[in-house]
Amino acid sequence: DIQMTQSPSTLSASVGDRVTITCRASQRIDSWLAWYQQKPGRAPKLLIDTASNLRSGVPSRFSGSGSGTEFTLTISSLQPDDFATYYCQQYNSYLEMSFGGGTKVEIK
Amino acid sequence: QEQLVESGGGVVQPGRSLRLSCAASGFAFRRYALHWVRQAPGKGLEWVALLSYDGKSEYYADSAKGRFTISRDNSKNTLYLQVNSLRHEDTAVYYCARVGGATYHHGMDVWGQGTTVTVSS
Repeated sequence: DIQMTQSPSTLSASVGDRVTITCRASQRIDSWLAWYQQKPGRAPKLLIDTASNLRSGVPSRFSGSGSGTEFTLTISSLQPDDFATYYCQQYNSYLEMSFGGGTKVEIK
Repeated sequence: QEQLVESGGGVVQPGRSLRLSCAASGFAFRRYALHWVRQAPGKGLEWVALLSYDGKSEYYADSAKGRFTISRDNSKNTLYLQVNSLRHEDTAVYYCARVGGATYHHGMDVWGQGTTVTVSS
């Protein structure tokens, strides 16, 4: 099984801050990684596909990078609407897809 | 508007069975593979199962093998998840989600609002 490890698990930041979340895979997954945003009581929302492709309608302050085993999600200037929990998900192996444990971005 | 709407959740006793449904609208349902994903209270997302666009290929998380069955009826634009021998640890919000492309190598681009399953005696 491919394990996905996100860090940090919680992040305290202020509006305007640059925020970086890391996701590490236990084995190589090429660029088969997605990032999601989830707000309390809501379904997740796909932000980034194939590691770095920003989905239509997602603000350009979000960006993704990485390949192989290490990936990052960056928010260039944190906005009030961005306080949420973020998850990475690998789909290299459709026999066993998996999510990271999540990173909660809180107001500092 | 592309939409997925889950139903069928509720409070169920341990050991009983449940079938969840996910009704699709606003897109060509038969062209897309679909997932079930669940989220236990206060916990992260857990992938449960994936079904191909034609229903011929099924994939399950280890935690779902043997008790969960994913299926679809393309004539009704509906995805299903049959869960047998329910356990307390199956308590979660269950989401259906669409694979965002023609192959499995895409993220989940359309999600339902979720249906809550509570396993309790």
